Order: sequence, then structure tokens, then C-alpha cells
Amino acid sequence: DTAVSQTPKYLVTQMGNDKSIKCEQNLGHDTMYWYKQDSKKFLKIMFSYNNKELIINETVPNRFSPKSPDKAHLNLHINSLELGDSAVYFCASSRSAGGNQPQHFGDGTRLSIL
Amino acid sequence: GENVEQHPSTLSVQEGDSAVIKCTYSDSASNYFPWYKQELGKGPQLIIDIRSNVGEKKDQRIAVTLNKTAKHFSLHITETQPEDSAVYFCAAVNYGQNFVFGPGTRLSVLP
Repeated sequence: DTAVSQTPKYLVTQMGNDKSIKCEQNLGHDTMYWYKQDSKKFLKIMFSYNNKELIINETVPNRFSPKSPDKAHLNLHINSLELGDSAVYFCASSRSAGGNQPQHFGDGTRLSIL
Repeated sequence: GENVEQHPSTLSVQEGDSAVIKCTYSDSASNYFPWYKQELGKGPQLIIDIRSNVGEKKDQRIAVTLNKTAKHFSLHITETQPEDSAVYFCAAVNYGQNFVFGPGTRLSVLP
């Protein structure tokens, strides 16, 4: 059983399109995250949700809109895709939002903008 | 805010040798330091972590040491095997704050 699962694994699309990435965790965790990993492998947090409520928004353009229908799911919708959005996006979860808890990552969604 | 540096950026070792990766952090209030291993096409996987009230932690071939005074912590892998080849990330975090990751170390274990 996959603990944190993301779909799709690959996403290739044209500039200007709108796309969504879905994430689900079956660990019973309260907190979920979205990270962006650029071509140099640098991992940077984008958003964090605790019990369906947004707690971190790290200066991400408002073209990115996360949605958490319940605490086991955190989806990421991206409008008007730009070339610079090409990256690998990782979903993660942790037991609580304290910050000093292990985070469990999914296997990522590789987004390529043509 | 927190800033984490990680060295070296790439590391090649012969199978059976030891590998050491070092991270330094800037925020003296950081109190949790996890290490992650990322294999090709996979997400980062936690391999070991240490909290600020502990100086060293071991798990089989992997160990982490923490020097709070100098604000650095290190990952030690002994008896390296080809399957240890991956990108390793350290992170530092204070309670209530985000994880701040280092830039990663690409470890290659040569057979």
C-alpha cells in the first residue's frame, strides 16, 4: 500500500493551459504539503495544510491554488501554465503541523511545459 | 530565516568505503534534523533523523551526529553498497516552521 500517492506521474502540456495534480495519503496524518523540486534538485515548500486549512503559503504565484477536500487529500491546481513551472512537484504528509515531525513524500509529478 | 548548506555536492566512493556528508544551519533555534535519500524517479525517503537533545544516533550502517555549538550535523554511511547511490538531502527545522532543505549531495558508490 502506497502511503502518499500522487497522480499523474507525468504531465506534459502546453503553455497557457490549466492542469491539476492530485495527492492522497493513507497514513492518517493531519498535515499535508506541496513541494517544488527544480532542475537542480532544490526542494522548496509551496503550501502546507493542516486539517484542511491552509497554514503555509510560501510566496507562490496565485496561479497555483491548492485545495483540500478532506485531511487525506491535497490537490494542486495550476492556471495559465508557464515555462518556469516545469519541475517535479512532490506531495508530503506528516502527523502534525509542529514542524519537527518526519514528512513522508510521494513519488512526484514531473510537469513539463512545452 | 533558516539557511542550510550541504557539502559536498557530489561524492564518489568505492564500494565498502565510508561516506560522510556534512550540513550547516544558521538558526540556533532549529531542533529537528532529518536526512532523506532520493533515488532516481522517486520521492525523498526519510533514512534517519536526530533531535537537538541528542548528539548521535545510529541505525545499522547509517549514523548522524549533531554539533549544536557549531551548528552542523553530518550523515555517516559505513560499508557503502551500490544501492546507497542516490541524492541525499539534509534539513533543519524549528518547531512551527517549515523544513528547510540543503541543496543535496549526489553519492555514487562504485563497484
